[in-house]
Amino acid sequence: NAGVTQTPKFRVLKTGQSMTLLCAQDMNHEYMYWYRQDPGMGLRLIHYSVGEGTTAKGEVPDGYNVSRLKKQNFLLGLESAAPSQTSVYFCASSYVAGEVYTGELFFGEGSRLTVL
Amino acid sequence: EDKVVQSPLSLVVHEGDTVTLNCSYEVTNFRSLLWYKQEKKAPTFLFMLTSSGIEKKSGRLSSILDKKELFSILNITATQTGDSAIYLCAVRNRDDKIIFGKGTRLHILP
Repeated sequence: NAGVTQTPKFRVLKTGQSMTLLCAQDMNHEYMYWYRQDPGMGLRLIHYSVGEGTTAKGEVPDGYNVSRLKKQNFLLGLESAAPSQTSVYFCASSYVAGEVYTGELFFGEGSRLTVL
Repeated sequence: EDKVVQSPLSLVVHEGDTVTLNCSYEVTNFRSLLWYKQEKKAPTFLFMLTSSGIEKKSGRLSSILDKKELFSILNITATQTGDSAIYLCAVRNRDDKIIFGKGTRLHILP
């Protein structure tokens, strides 16, 4: 099992460029999350999804869009990248409560994005 | 607005010491509190707590939740250099929104 896979793992962008981060999970999880991590800031929730076709805003959604067209994939888009979006991005997924529910979030390895 | 506050933000102790990490929260429709350890890459799961007063234990790590006072503590006894990491606390609400605190950076001196 691959678990949660993020692509790409590294990317350098110029200000104003667009890009999409892909998160794929093979555990049939309902819930998926995108976080960003900056030094000293913990993990901040960008957007999340509680099922295929649904998305919801997190703590810091501005400048990002997401889509969950397939249950196994959760895409994070930057339409016009800004230097403030330089960060490490983590995707995570989890079970629905009641299905061997431990509350555990399964994380991808992270994607390091630099915006110049 | 939901929030999770961890303290201290940074801690340096000697090997063998016992440490207590704190997590307080304000969240509407609380479901569970989660503790994670982060070393070089992605966080790894430690505990999930849903009920007050029930201690969760794994080796030298233990944690407990107080839903009346809205906080949790994570204890690490007989610390080792391998315990050096960032410890993250998160809270999940009934809409399955999961938010994290800023973490406690723990450094264990040999």
